[in-house]
Amino acid sequence: EPEVTQTPSHQVTQMGQEVILRCVPISNHLYFYWYRQILGQKVEFLVSFYNNEISEKSEIFDDQFSVERPDGSNFTLKIRSTKLEDSAMYFCASSDGQGAEQYFGPGTRLTVT
Amino acid sequence: AQSVSQHNHHVILSEAASLELGCNYSYGGTVNLFWYVQYPGQHLQLLLKYFSGDPLVKGIKGFEAEFIKSKFSFNLRKPSVQWSDTAEYFCAVAYNFNKFYFGSGTKLNVKP
Repeated sequence: EPEVTQTPSHQVTQMGQEVILRCVPISNHLYFYWYRQILGQKVEFLVSFYNNEISEKSEIFDDQFSVERPDGSNFTLKIRSTKLEDSAMYFCASSDGQGAEQYFGPGTRLTVT
Repeated sequence: AQSVSQHNHHVILSEAASLELGCNYSYGGTVNLFWYVQYPGQHLQLLLKYFSGDPLVKGIKGFEAEFIKSKFSFNLRKPSVQWSDTAEYFCAVAYNFNKFYFGSGTKLNVKP
């Protein structure tokens, strides 16, 4: 069964550093998403992406965040200058239609020290 | 702003007990409704979904959910839980086919 993959599984970075989290969505999916889950809190929507542009973003997704689909397979989330409060699990998801079920990757645990 | 509420944060049951997890969402137009499960150490997996039609939907592993539009609810049920159902359960709502909101999750602990 096709699945969403994410790398790395765990990233440790120092405050102020840039990080790029990578995702490979399911190959025939057209809608891509990033979520985060701070330890002990709910899963929060960050951004959705379709047709090479952001279609929706939350208040969390400020100027320090950006997304990109650099080639036909990868979907990345960049955090320009990490803060301690960016420590969380980041999940990528993809779907084949708007509002359709989303398939989630295993997540990247980001730890900012 | 739209929101999704799960009222039970932690549920402990014995095997064979019946389960009902509550989920309510705020009004916000067209909704698609989902329940996801996260087993320990694994990623989120879809249990079931409701888009339209019969408000009683059946999912995997014997789970079902009922959409009650007048109550803005989409409660998850299982008649008889097993130890292997120990996991965290998330209700999620897609508003107007785009914005996706998750509830805070319910941790289910099934005692053998």
